[in-house]
Amino acid sequence: SQQGEEDPQALSIQEGENATMNCSYKTSINNLQWYRQNSGRGLVHLILIRSNEREKHSGRLRVTLDTSKKSSSLLITASRAADTASYFCATAYYGGATNKLIFGTGTLLAVQP
Amino acid sequence: EPEVTQTPSHQVTQMGQEVILRCVPISNHLYFYWYRQILGQKVEFLVSFYNNEISEKSEIFDDQFSVERPDGSNFTLKIRSTKLEDSAMYFCASSDSGARPQHFGDGTRLSIL
Repeated sequence: SQQGEEDPQALSIQEGENATMNCSYKTSINNLQWYRQNSGRGLVHLILIRSNEREKHSGRLRVTLDTSKKSSSLLITASRAADTASYFCATAYYGGATNKLIFGTGTLLAVQP
Repeated sequence: EPEVTQTPSHQVTQMGQEVILRCVPISNHLYFYWYRQILGQKVEFLVSFYNNEISEKSEIFDDQFSVERPDGSNFTLKIRSTKLEDSAMYFCASSDSGARPQHFGDGTRLSIL
């Protein structure tokens, strides 16, 4: 079964607008992380929110977490053309010996100049 | 800022051949990971490595795969006899603790012919 599902799958907005991406997951987590991936490049860590946190900010990023609904959202405010990328949520559960990340399907964000 | 480096950036190999993908994690990190991303699909966990041993592996990580930390800086992924379906982008990641973000390299694109 899919652990992480993002919606929308693709989002196209104008520069200056806000972009909101959502992520749902199925199992218990210790934290949820958002990553960005430019085409053909690696994953860049954006923000981590712990399971006991509800909201977190970092610059133009705002992440919320609702563990009762098993969902998270990423808001990018005042978007720029350089924000064009794929955005992935990833959940971490380290009940065992590892904190492997389980990634969602991603949202492809296109910011038009 | 320290980063994870991966070599080569692109590897083309005949089916049945052995490949070794190399990674240099961030120097003070203790947890190491390999993930893969088949074109157009989500990023999938392969294996985690801590204290010189595998701490967890996924169903994908069968007997054809192995990992090694041959010295204090390198972390390698070996595929013994490659199959067409091994074609993917392979990402190495490292973190300094189980609860902290993972830092990813830019990946090795593996193409099996």
